This record gives sequence, C-alpha cells and structure tokens, in this order.
Amino acid sequence: NAGVTQTPKFQVLKTGQSMTLQCAQDMNHNSMYWYRQDPGMGLRLIYYSASEGTTDKGEVPNGYNVSRLNKREFSLRLESAAPSQTSVYFCASLDFGGQGLGMYGYTFGSGTRLTVV
Amino acid sequence: GIQVEQSPPDLILQEGANSTLRCNFSDSVNNLQWFHQNPWGQLINLFYIPSGTKQNGRLSATTVATERYSLLYISSSQTTDSGVYFCAVCKVSYDKVIFGPGTSLSVIP
Repeated sequence: NAGVTQTPKFQVLKTGQSMTLQCAQDMNHNSMYWYRQDPGMGLRLIYYSASEGTTDKGEVPNGYNVSRLNKREFSLRLESAAPSQTSVYFCASLDFGGQGLGMYGYTFGSGTRLTVV
Repeated sequence: GIQVEQSPPDLILQEGANSTLRCNFSDSVNNLQWFHQNPWGQLINLFYIPSGTKQNGRLSATTVATERYSLLYISSSQTTDSGVYFCAVCKVSYDKVIFGPGTSLSVIP
C-alpha cells in the first residue's frame, strides 16, 4: 500500500544513547517532514526537507539531526538522547503543485513512540 | 515565524449537535490544511482549503485568507468524530508547514 513507513514503532532509550528514526515514502513526493507531538502541544516541526538534497530547521531542531538519503528516505537522528525528547514522532510527506496549486497528498506515518529514561 | 492558534482548546458535544472550530494565523499563507487525529493517533486529511469554502458530507470548511482565519464546521456530530482537529499552514510552497495546537473534541452518546 502506498504511504509513509516509519520504524521503529516503539523505542526505549537510556539518557545519552543515540538512535536513528527511519522514514520512507513511496508516493514520489518531493517534501518530507519530521514532527514531534507532546500532550497539549500539537505537532511541532523539527526538521523538513523541501526537496531531495535540502534540509532546513523547523521550530524545535535542537538535539536532532536529519539526513535526506534520497527522494524516498528521510531519517531523524538523536545523538545523545535526553528525557525531554520523550515524545511521539511523526514523519510526513507531501508535494506542492506548480503554478500556485498548493500542497497536496499530505500523508503521515503511524508514528514512533520514544521514551528516554 | 507564523503563529497558529486554535479555539476552543477542548469541546464536548452531545451526539447530533453541531460545532464550529476556528483556526487563526498570524501571517498570510498560500496553503492551509485541516486534519483529524483519531483516538488511535492516526492523522487523516480533511480539507485542503487556502481560501473559499468546501464541503464533504457532514464536514465543511471556510477560509477567509484576507482576515487570516479558517473555520471547520461539523454538523450532526457522531461519536466517531471524536479526536483532535488540527489546522496546518504553509506560507509559500516548499516552506515549513506549521500546526496549530489543536481542538480536542469529545462526542458523547
């Protein structure tokens, strides 16, 4: 089925450990995004990649790095996990139509629930 | 950057009631989307609506871009409408997409 695949679905880390969250989409979208969701705070943008080969900071980038490996894959890395990074992480992909047609095909993965102890 | 506000933050409805959710944004945008997050955490597209009005069954949305707000109407609410409703905006294509804090809706039988 077409969509966005995130792995892993659940992860427990100890403070100071590192890990990479993987995201892949098969819809040939240009743009991919990483969000974190905390209770009562909606979804906050961590990093995004408007197109293959580019990445930009979002609202809350500190403590994270990203890699746009190719058009399909966009990974999020925590170099030294902290308890404040306990959250649910969502990856999304979408595209923008030409001539001002706007964004379309906005699709989210099922999320990664990360706990840092 | 763009600030997005949503109101009300929480809403409890009796099944069959109607409701209006509001999204305000601080700057002009070319893109606006409404999402529903169901109780299992899945995020589902509702409307792409940078301006004008759209309807899909019991749901409709209106965006007045010049006044920087959008409204989501839910009529004859059902328990399956429960969850959190988010609006998300993007100033220009290929820019960051920013979400509001959401409206948590509970529809009780």
